[in-house]
Amino acid sequence: QSALTQPPSASGSPGQSVTISCTGTSSDVGGYNYVSWYQQHPGKAPKTLIYEVSKRPSGVPDRFSGSKSGNTASLTVSGLQAEDEADYYCSSYAGNDNYVFGTGTTLTVL
Amino acid sequence: QVQLQESGPGLVKPSETLSLSCTVSGGSISPYYWSWIRQPPGKGLEWVGYIYSSGTTNYNPSLKSRVTISVDTSKNHFSLRLSSVTAADTALYFCARGGPIFIDSWGQGTLVTVSS
Repeated sequence: QSALTQPPSASGSPGQSVTISCTGTSSDVGGYNYVSWYQQHPGKAPKTLIYEVSKRPSGVPDRFSGSKSGNTASLTVSGLQAEDEADYYCSSYAGNDNYVFGTGTTLTVL
Repeated sequence: QVQLQESGPGLVKPSETLSLSCTVSGGSISPYYWSWIRQPPGKGLEWVGYIYSSGTTNYNPSLKSRVTISVDTSKNHFSLRLSSVTAADTALYFCARGGPIFIDSWGQGTLVTVSS
């Protein structure tokens, strides 16, 4: 199974919105509504932001939202804040009890 | 709030077996999925495998021949063994609660270096 494709970098100014894409295939992203998004600050463990495409765990601000169209999932961060500067990873269920991560995107807040 | 803590040797020799343990506190091992995920230095996340509290396992196909994940419900921990390691197995290893659908808690990670 191949890693899901994410843009290496994304950026935005404070207060703006930025969207990060996650492209897979019909065997993973397109085939199931089981896409998750994780935020990872340098030297820290990942934190789950989104699961099942658009659901937020308790405590995650509603500035973070997820969606999916076809084989591409997206994470939108609204009202960018300095603390949002981090690496972001998607993951998707890929059938046969397997899952796969994305390549990762570094978000820079300008 | 459940907490997870990885433990094990930080240095393993090539061809030997990497062994890590994850202790779960603040919650029970049952009835949850538990995962191991790794991150080579400067690179992205890679799923290693997961286990259900009943003992059912599933492994990344690329690692399947070398990986064993086990659970000890009496001690509230689960473990990872990765055999025949090479430098490519050098990574930050995270344990986490959850499986392919949803991971809700992560350990802080432990760095394992494969070197002679």
